[in-house]
Amino acid sequence: KAGVTQTPRYLIKTRGQQVTLSCSPISGHRSVSWYQQTPGQGLQFLFEYFSETQRNKGNFPGRFSGRQFSNSRSEMNVSTLELGDSALYLCASSLANAQPYEQYFGPGTRLTVT
Amino acid sequence: AQSVSQHNHHVILSEAASLELGCNYSYGGTVNLFWYVQYPGQHLQLLLKYFSGDPLVKGIKGFEAEFIKSKFSFNLRKPSVQWSDTAEYFCAVMVRGSQGNLIFGKGTKLSVKP
Repeated sequence: KAGVTQTPRYLIKTRGQQVTLSCSPISGHRSVSWYQQTPGQGLQFLFEYFSETQRNKGNFPGRFSGRQFSNSRSEMNVSTLELGDSALYLCASSLANAQPYEQYFGPGTRLTVT
Repeated sequence: AQSVSQHNHHVILSEAASLELGCNYSYGGTVNLFWYVQYPGQHLQLLLKYFSGDPLVKGIKGFEAEFIKSKFSFNLRKPSVQWSDTAEYFCAVMVRGSQGNLIFGKGTKLSVKP
């Protein structure tokens, strides 16, 4: 089975712009979670989608949003980029039909905001 | 708020030395516990998990972890490390009922000298 894929792998944006990142989960997985990884804060949970519905959300401002499509692919969007948004954005997929379950991570998208 | 503490930021060992990485979490309810590993240049991979039952769990590559409920701990061990174990190790907790939200520790970098 193919793993979790994320596109693009690297992105450079300017402050004030917006960005959309994409995640394709493992085939058959219906849950996608997004995380932000920075050297200072470590890995922090952004949100989780299951069957096109956001089930859970972390403590991030409303500039961070996401969605999930009927094929379970997910996108996250960051509007009005700030320098502090520079990070590695990871997506993880899981079956998540019932707890407990494990998550499988993609390679991430490295976002640099200048 | 729930949190996960990893006591060691950077551990340096020689090959064949034994390894123990500490992990403590703060939450009194039911949790699922994980260790993930990130090898240089690679994405996060699941090393092992604990959901219920035997508190001593075995994972890939000879790693094991012990869940001690009274100490809120889930320490990772390996009897004899190899140079190829050089990586960053993350302990993570998912609170039962919290969808998709893995709470990560800050990670421990392990450097194994050949």
